[in-house]
Amino acid sequence: SQKIEQNSEALNIQEGKTATLTCNYTNYSPAYLQWYRQDPGRGPVFLLLIRENEKEKRKERLKVTFDTTLKQSLFHITASQPADSATYLCALSNRDDKIIFGKGTRLHILP
Amino acid sequence: KAGVTQTPRYLIKTRGQQVTLSCSPISGHRSVSWYQQTPGQGLQFLFEYFSETQRNKGNFPGRFSGRQFSNSRSEMNVSTLELGDSALYLCASSLAGSFTYGYTFGSGTRLTVV
Repeated sequence: SQKIEQNSEALNIQEGKTATLTCNYTNYSPAYLQWYRQDPGRGPVFLLLIRENEKEKRKERLKVTFDTTLKQSLFHITASQPADSATYLCALSNRDDKIIFGKGTRLHILP
Repeated sequence: KAGVTQTPRYLIKTRGQQVTLSCSPISGHRSVSWYQQTPGQGLQFLFEYFSETQRNKGNFPGRFSGRQFSNSRSEMNVSTLELGDSALYLCASSLAGSFTYGYTFGSGTRLTVV
């Protein structure tokens, strides 16, 4: 069955460093991959979308890579700040727009 | 502009009862999707509506149903509630699907079944 795996353990990163989150998937050929941020008690917030024919996408301090051969996406936050602390969700979708989400990785940026 | 509005924010229901949750999407958005979020299973897709038609459906029992009105507002209904239905129910809207601009989520309805 289709499966998305994200680091189940929380990730602790020192302020100012680059945080790198991983999203691996199996039994799926996504056309699109999205990253969302979720704070406690709130709904997810859309951050970035990358298509299967794109290798990399950037937005301000965020960078996403998408390797369809490795079936993996990496999500980077450069110059991390305590305000970046949240849970980050990876989501895959096909052209029929049926989206599946990973369970998310909790990121803590330590001052 | 106003975001996605979900009501109510919190609900406590008893096993066997039914519940209706409401979602008002961003003005102009025609696609509304519903998700169930639990600590163990994460975000699971329930269904998606586009212009009043169900376009996609997840793997949930028939007790979970939804509909969309002509003004794009959507409701989700769960009948014969079970303890395992306790979860955060999230609604997400988009212009025509998530694959261009992603989804905008509401803050959710926290349902507790006792």
